[in-house]
Amino acid sequence: GQQVMQIPQYQHVQEGEDFTTYCNSSTTLSNIQWYKQRPGGHPVFLIQLVKSGEVKKQKRLTFQFGEAKKNSSLHITATQTTDVGTYFCAGGGGGSNYKLTFGKGTLLTVNP
Amino acid sequence: SQTIHQWPATLVQPVGSPLSLECTVEGTSNPNLYWYRQAAGRGLQLLFYSVGIGQISSEVPQNLSASRPQDRQFILSSKKLLLSDSGFYLCAWRTGQNSPLHFGNGTRLTVT
Repeated sequence: GQQVMQIPQYQHVQEGEDFTTYCNSSTTLSNIQWYKQRPGGHPVFLIQLVKSGEVKKQKRLTFQFGEAKKNSSLHITATQTTDVGTYFCAGGGGGSNYKLTFGKGTLLTVNP
Repeated sequence: SQTIHQWPATLVQPVGSPLSLECTVEGTSNPNLYWYRQAAGRGLQLLFYSVGIGQISSEVPQNLSASRPQDRQFILSSKKLLLSDSGFYLCAWRTGQNSPLHFGNGTRLTVT
C-alpha cells in the first residue's frame, strides 16, 4: 500500500534558525496536505498542494510539491517559539481517492 | 459553520472491557468520516473511513470496528480492549476527495 515517509523525526533549533521537513511517497500523489499539531492538541490543516512543482507561501512557511508529485517539503524561515509542534504531511491518491496517508511527523522544538 | 464533536475526552478502561467512542459532525451533509489513532504522540494511523451511511473501509485488521448509523455519526467500538489499544483516537471529516481533514479534539484512551 501507499507509504509516506517523513524526515527528520525530531528537530531542535534555536529561535531564529530555519527549519525544513521532508516528505516522500512510495507512489505518485494526487495532492499533498500539511498539518500542524501543537503539544496536547489535534492536527490542524495548514495547506494543500495539487500541481506538479507547486510552491505556496504562508508568511514564514514555504511549501513545495515535487515535479514528480512524490515528494514535498515545508520550510520555516526564522523560527519562533510559536512554531513548536509536530508537522505532518499527508498524501492523497495512490489508488484510493478517499484515503489520506500521514507521514510520522517531525517534532519541532524551539529554544528561545 | 461546520463543527465536529468527539467524546469522551479521556477514558480509562480495564483490559477486556468494551469500548464505544462517538463522533458527530454538524453543519454539513454526507461527509467522508475517518478514525485515526496516534500512539505515543507521534504518527497518525488510519483505522477506518466511511464515504456514506453503512459504508466502512477498514485499514488495519484488529479488534476494533466502526459503524456509521447516521450520515453524520461515526462510532468506534471494541468488544474486548487490549493493552495495545491505548492511544489518542481522532475522528475527522472532510467534504470529499482532495479537501482538508478537520479533526475533533480526540479521545485519550488508557487501557489498564
